[in-house]
Amino acid sequence: DAGITQSPRYKITETGRQVTLMCHQTWSHSYMFWYRQDLGHGLRLIYYSAAADITDKGEVPDGYVVSRSKTENFPLTLESATRSQTSVYFCASSLWADTQYFGPGTRLTVL
Amino acid sequence: DAKTTQPTSMDCAEGRAANLPCNHSTISGNEYVYWYRQIHSQGPQYIIHGLKNNETNEMASLIITEDRKSSTLILPHATLRDTAVYYCIVKAAGNKLTFGGGTRVLVKP
Repeated sequence: DAGITQSPRYKITETGRQVTLMCHQTWSHSYMFWYRQDLGHGLRLIYYSAAADITDKGEVPDGYVVSRSKTENFPLTLESATRSQTSVYFCASSLWADTQYFGPGTRLTVL
Repeated sequence: DAKTTQPTSMDCAEGRAANLPCNHSTISGNEYVYWYRQIHSQGPQYIIHGLKNNETNEMASLIITEDRKSSTLILPHATLRDTAVYYCIVKAAGNKLTFGGGTRVLVKP
């Protein structure tokens, strides 16, 4: 039982490049979430999705794009990466927007 | 969702019970108390949650005061692997999680 996985686990990219972080869950959970974690800010919600083809903004959505064509996948795209987007990104899922289960994270560095 | 107040850090001895307090004096009747923890460099891990009754699972116990204005997470026999940041979060069903600063717990041998 894989649960929730994220790929890649580590990524280095350059300013201006497009980057996509992948999130996959095997529980058929309805809800999926993307967070970023920075020193001094804790975890902040970027986007979330209540079901396939339904997404909504969180606290810090600017510079990010999400899609959810399939229930099990929730990719996060940085269309033109900036240094301020250097962070650790966590994906999470939950059945009914209650208890969330988190992935292992992706450490992204933008040079 | 109501705000929570937790100590910034605390130490506890390996093998002893760890009692982590959380104040949530403005909690509403429909808000749950959730506890998560984050071990260094890992994703947050769900521990337990409750509404008004005390709860216990294989990881911990959650004690909520009768007025629901505070709660305590109890790790019955702390191990070195319990060293982590513990987050107390209050939220209504369907609302999103909002993580605060948490309590940094160091379990010492």
